[in-house]
Amino acid sequence: EAGVAQSPRYKIIEKRQSVAFWCNPISGHATLYWYQQILGQGPKLLIQFQNNGVVDDSQLPKDRFSAERLKGVDSTLKIQPAKLEDSAVYLCASSLTLNTEAFFGQGTRLTVV
Amino acid sequence: KQEVTQIPAALSVPEGENLVLNCSFTDSAIYNLQWFRQDPGKGLTSLLLIQSSQREQTSGRLNASLDKSSGRSTLYIAASQPGDSATYLCAVDAGGTSYGKLTFGQGTILTVHP
Repeated sequence: EAGVAQSPRYKIIEKRQSVAFWCNPISGHATLYWYQQILGQGPKLLIQFQNNGVVDDSQLPKDRFSAERLKGVDSTLKIQPAKLEDSAVYLCASSLTLNTEAFFGQGTRLTVV
Repeated sequence: KQEVTQIPAALSVPEGENLVLNCSFTDSAIYNLQWFRQDPGKGLTSLLLIQSSQREQTSGRLNASLDKSSGRSTLYIAASQPGDSATYLCAVDAGGTSYGKLTFGQGTILTVHP
């Protein structure tokens, strides 16, 4: 079974630029999550989707971050404009449904300079 | 608000030692608790998941226990090997309206030297 796919693996941008990350969950998984992991910390949930609807985006900085999952499968996370403190690994995870085990992708490491 | 703390932050042991990693959480009303492993530059690999009704789970050389009332979990690694070197994270799922949303600790960096 293929795992959660994320791209790109690495991205370096200048502050105030925009960037987008892509996630393809495990086939058939209805729930999708984006987490932000700053160096030396545990991951922090940014947004949770159930199919193409948002379940929780309370910790998403909506002035600069946006995410969508239009067809209930792939998802994109965008940052515009980026700040230095956005440097982190962005992890995508998916689960069959809301209360089942989540599987994580390899993450996208973002460096903002 | 749920907070998860892991002790120690880093641990260095010689190969063959048995070791214990600790995780504590502030709100005992959890749905489940998971232990993950993270290798440098990689994503998270789930090691063990303990439902709130369970006391422990075992997989190979790993054993995780859960004491909900005291807000604690431990991960026991038997006969450690250099390949066990990684960051270990615990995470709790509060369930209810928060199903699936994991709150993570900051992790324990484990180094097992030959």
